[in-house]
Amino acid sequence: KAGVTQTPRYLIKTRGQQVTLSCSPISGHRSVSWYQQTPGQGLQFLFEYFSETQRNKGNFPGRFSGRQFSNSRSEMNVSTLELGDSALYLCASSLGPLGYGYTFGSGTRLTVV
Amino acid sequence: TQLLEQSPQFLSIQEGENLTVYCNSSSVFSSLQWYRQEPGEGPVLLVTVVTGGEVKKLKRLTFQFGDARKDSSLHITAAQPGDTGLYLCAGSGGAQKLVFGQGTRLTINP
Repeated sequence: KAGVTQTPRYLIKTRGQQVTLSCSPISGHRSVSWYQQTPGQGLQFLFEYFSETQRNKGNFPGRFSGRQFSNSRSEMNVSTLELGDSALYLCASSLGPLGYGYTFGSGTRLTVV
Repeated sequence: TQLLEQSPQFLSIQEGENLTVYCNSSSVFSSLQWYRQEPGEGPVLLVTVVTGGEVKKLKRLTFQFGDARKDSSLHITAAQPGDTGLYLCAGSGGAQKLVFGQGTRLTINP
């Protein structure tokens, strides 16, 4: 079965712009979570969606937002990009509320210049 | 705030040697997972442990969950170059979000 698909794989944006990243979970998985990975901070939790509802949110500014659609696909948006937003953004899906194993996508590498 | 500390952060050993990676916290986790990540890819789940004292084996990898469910270890026997990668532990607690350790970057030299 297909894995978690994230698009695009690479993205270069300019400071001040906004960006939308997409994640298609494994078929049947209803929970989608987003993480930001940087060399200095490691993997940091952004938010989790289950059945179109945001269940949990990490400590990120309001510029970071997300949503989940009825087909479980999810998008995250970052507005007013800053240089420090350069990171690998990872999406993970699981059958239900997390705790028993994620399947991660390959990530979107965002570079802000 | 739940935190997971991994040690060591970097480890470089020769093929055939044994190694142990540790994951420690002052918080109790309902489950703990280990992932391995290759450059440019997302982490891949290796194992989930849920019971205090639980030991799971995956070929040459042995995972243990501490009795108090606050710590875990990953032991690799006879390491091979293919074991090279970033190993991450992650704990699931009451807040229902996964907390990751900083990772251990393992290099196995042929």
